[in-house]
Amino acid sequence: AQSVAQPEDQVNVAEGNPLTVKCTYSVSGNPYLFWYVQYPNRGLQFLLKYITGDNLVKGSYGFEAEFNKSQTSFHLKKPSALVSDSALYFCALPRGSQGNLIFGKGTKLSVKP
Amino acid sequence: NAGVTQTPKFQVLKTGQSMTLQCAQDMNHNSMYWYRQDPGMGLRLIYYSASEGTTDKGEVPNGYNVSRLNKREFSLRLESAAPSQTSVYFCASSEYRRGGLDTQYFGPGTRLTVL
Repeated sequence: AQSVAQPEDQVNVAEGNPLTVKCTYSVSGNPYLFWYVQYPNRGLQFLLKYITGDNLVKGSYGFEAEFNKSQTSFHLKKPSALVSDSALYFCALPRGSQGNLIFGKGTKLSVKP
Repeated sequence: NAGVTQTPKFQVLKTGQSMTLQCAQDMNHNSMYWYRQDPGMGLRLIYYSASEGTTDKGEVPNGYNVSRLNKREFSLRLESAAPSQTSVYFCASSEYRRGGLDTQYFGPGTRLTVL
């Protein structure tokens, strides 16, 4: 069965430092993978997605994600964190061919000045 | 372009009361979704509508009903609210539901408390 896991409930980073939010997946075949972000008291916003092709996917707000098939991972990265990046981040993948997304439990990113 | 709108933003119900959560999108999307978000559990799909005139159960449909009123609107009804339905509810839409390829756009959410 398809699944996605975010092993860290919270990630703390100092402003200006690089950040990584981890995601691992389990799926038969080639995966489609998504990252969404939720700012406080807001709905989720799409950040980026991996469908096929280049393993490094660039998205909104300077974020990128690296697809690693051998490690079944899709980690979200940013070279230099901003305080405004503090939010809840969700990794997701579609459930089979139905298209409905399975979300991870979310990782709270806290960027301190 | 308002995107996805939801009403109300907040609601407090007593056990056994009923209510309908409203959702509308102005992006001419075909597919719409209702999720609930609970702490430490991510988002779970309640119901979805792949296209106008169709609805299907998601992961946690018990205690809920939905209506796809037209292409723009997708409502979620709680017939007899229970404390376990205390949650934040999100509506979302996507152009199609093509194997998960399409980006979903989310509304701002409804915070529901059932006492």
